[in-house]
Amino acid sequence: SAVISQKPSRDICQRGTSLTIQCQVDSQVTMMFWYRQQPGQSLTLIATANQGSEATYESGFVIDKFPISRPNLTFSTLTVSNMSPEDSSIYLCSGAGQLNTEAFFGQGTRLTVV
Amino acid sequence: AQSVTQLGSHVSVSEGALVLLRCNYSSSVPPYLFWYVQYPNQGLQLLLKYTTGATLVKGINGFEAEFKKSETSFHLTKPSAHMSDAAEYFCAVSGGRGSGNTGKLIFGQGTTLQVKP
Repeated sequence: SAVISQKPSRDICQRGTSLTIQCQVDSQVTMMFWYRQQPGQSLTLIATANQGSEATYESGFVIDKFPISRPNLTFSTLTVSNMSPEDSSIYLCSGAGQLNTEAFFGQGTRLTVV
Repeated sequence: AQSVTQLGSHVSVSEGALVLLRCNYSSSVPPYLFWYVQYPNQGLQLLLKYTTGATLVKGINGFEAEFKKSETSFHLTKPSAHMSDAAEYFCAVSGGRGSGNTGKLIFGQGTTLQVKP
């Protein structure tokens, strides 16, 4: 399976600021996704990162709050904009290979907004 | 539409005892089913998956799960728990081949497994 590296692994940010999380895969993947895991909760899909086009967002998530880029088949970024304490979560990137029979995950970015 | 329900947010077993974590799913298309494990302050690791074929699937660390279509279940078992099994376990579903939703996971609420010495 591919290896996904996420940066930063954790950060503490001031409210009202923005943070960009990077996700690098060591091989080309067809699909990439971004998830949010709120404290003590399960994972919720934010969006599908589409290569060369706008991301596809799930209900409850909007591009202005979570802009996503995917310039190629191995890299994606998620920005958490105008942060508030409610954005404190773990953000995880995942990738699915050509056959898409499984998804593998990065280690996540633990974000605390103060 | 797809959904996953994990019965029991916390499960406690003694070391050496059987581990049973329950997962039921709902899917309008033939599903792919997964179990992931998350250790504290770490990402998700795939334990096992069902896509097609044999309904009893074996994974890493001695875990296995059985896909039962009639019961819409995919319960995770391990014959003998080890202290190192203590973690958070997530059941997940995606659309199967041809659905256009493979790789896109819907997760259950998670089950915390505690292993007592």
